[in-house]
Amino acid sequence: GAVVSQHPSWVICKSGTSVKIECRSLDFQATTMFWYRQFPKQSLMLMATSNEGSKATYEQGVEKDKFLINHASLTLSTLTVTSAHPEDSSFYICSARDRGTRGFTEAFFGQGTRLTVV
Amino acid sequence: LAKTTQPISMDSYEGQEVNITCSHNNIATNDYITWYQQFPSQGPRFIIQGYKTKVTNEVASLFIPADRKSSTLSLPRVSLSDTAVYYCLVGALSSNTGKLIFGQGTTLQVKP
Repeated sequence: GAVVSQHPSWVICKSGTSVKIECRSLDFQATTMFWYRQFPKQSLMLMATSNEGSKATYEQGVEKDKFLINHASLTLSTLTVTSAHPEDSSFYICSARDRGTRGFTEAFFGQGTRLTVV
Repeated sequence: LAKTTQPISMDSYEGQEVNITCSHNNIATNDYITWYQQFPSQGPRFIIQGYKTKVTNEVASLFIPADRKSSTLSLPRVSLSDTAVYYCLVGALSSNTGKLIFGQGTTLQVKP
């Protein structure tokens, strides 16, 4: 079945540095990927929609200069958290759609990336 | 985008059947209803999807009334490993570009 893989699974960085998170669709092509952020005990919050070959679409309240998204190929989208601060510490999850083995379109999620900014 | 409302939490015991109901009053004609399960520090995992009436797979059943304004996820004979957060999502999954917006989810705690 379709698999979405994120890398790294966890990362610790110093305040002020930038961190890049990769999201790959391993056995299908994804023209669109979605990035979510999840704080402890809260639901997933959609941050942006990543479009292959064009600019990402950000949700209201999400700073596009802070969270840089690049979708350079049909199997890879990256999220870069620039000048990270402790309040950016969160669980970041990506998602992509594909027609799975069940015969209908499903949303597949990566395993998530735990970002801790110290 | 249709908004969903679920109970924040539910408790159950091993071996019991658990039913989680989700309200989606403004569901659109082309929207499907999908339920996901999420364990701590993992991405959501697909459980079941339906459009109307009843759908059953190897892990759950999904009941959708004729007006489609709600749906009920039924987990038969839960075990401790079913302790997780369950999300009901509504969206036009026929489109690869449509956004999926998560509601608050239901935290299910299964006790021994």
